[in-house]
Parts: sequence; structure tokens; C-alpha cells
Amino acid sequence: EVQLVESGGGLVQPGGSLRLSCAASGFTFSSHWMTWFRQAPGKGLEWVANIKKDGSEKHYVDSVKGRFTISRDNAKNSLYLQVNSLRAEDTAVYYCARGSPSNGNACDIWGQGTRVTVSS
Amino acid sequence: AIRMTQSPSSLSASTGDRVTITCRASQGISSYLAWFQQKPGMAPKLLIYATSTLQSGVPSRFSGSGSGTDFTLTISCLQSEDFATYYCQQYYSYPLTFGQGTRLEIK
Repeated sequence: EVQLVESGGGLVQPGGSLRLSCAASGFTFSSHWMTWFRQAPGKGLEWVANIKKDGSEKHYVDSVKGRFTISRDNAKNSLYLQVNSLRAEDTAVYYCARGSPSNGNACDIWGQGTRVTVSS
Repeated sequence: AIRMTQSPSSLSASTGDRVTITCRASQGISSYLAWFQQKPGMAPKLLIYATSTLQSGVPSRFSGSGSGTDFTLTISCLQSEDFATYYCQQYYSYPLTFGQGTRLEIK
């Protein structure tokens, strides 16, 4: 079964850090761009960052540049998001998703999400 | 950044109805437009990519059309399981952006 499972979320104080992880299974992880999205409580979807198959290319939304770092370990079939200098507005459910090379990299498989709450 | 504007923001309909949701991009995005369905507490689900291609396993009552800046998602003959929030997303250029969502409710 093709599956993505996020972990690493939690309650953190403003200015704090977390490392989100996404474990992939059931497909050839190294053949896919991977993406992080987020959704603040009661709000819409927001793209956060994505990373090329071999990790050589990364893109970020402006609001997280310099604070968040996306990475991957193809040997471990894992995607990561290091989130630093967290702010209240980073509170959200964070989803990892797989880009599909057969459809121009629209994200066809999503994890169930991990919740990050930034609060003192 | 390309702004995606969906309309309506919410919609009430009955089972069996045909509904259309529109999505307008602030600049041309070719055919790099996807539609997602999201139910409360769940991850989004890809319905349509490349404007009009149905994702595997998605019922044929869903269809997409458009090009350039104007796109539509049509659901013919609404089923109970279709009541959800729908998002369009452009993946033509960075930052990737979504519409604000359309909440489809039971009348």
C-alpha cells in the first residue's frame, strides 16, 4: 500500500524548533518530488516547500524562508522539515505529499498530517 | 505570486444536483491546475490534475475544464459523499498557490 506517515508535531513555544518527519512506503521514494503543505485551524491549504527527487533543488514559500529547511533521505525513504524560529502563525496541521511524475507533479498521495501548535 | 480565486465560497445543493465551481488565476497557468476534495479532519484528496484529467479511482461524475486563467470543476449528480470542501491549486509556478476553498453543503 502506498502510504505517507507524518510525525514530529507537538506544542512548542514561540521561537522554538521541531523536526517533522514523513515516512514513505509502498513506492519508489527516490523517483518522486516531495512536498510539505500546511493548514491553519479553520483555514485553507498552503504550500510550504518541496524538494526534487535527489534533493538537489528546493523551493519555499516566502513566509518560511530562512526558518524552515526541507530535506530527504532516500536510503531511509524519509522526508523531513526542520522548523525553527516558530511563530504563532505557523500553527497548523502539516501534511507531506508525493508529486507524481506522470501528471506534472500534482500531489497524488498525502499523509494524514501532524499538528504543530505554537503557543506560550 | 499567482492568486487563485474560487467562487462561490460556499454552495448549498441537494443530492442529484449538478454543481459547478470556478477558479480564476491572476495570470495564465497553462493547464497546470489541480482540484482537491477535503472532508473534515482528513487530508486532501486529488480529484483532477492537468485541468481535466481524472485521478485514478475518482468517479466520472467529476469533471474539469478550462485553460489559461479560467477553470471549472463540475460534479454531475451529487452524491452524499461529495459534500466537502473543494480547492483548486496551480502548480505552474512558485509559490504554488491554492484557491480559498468552496464549501459544498447539503441543502
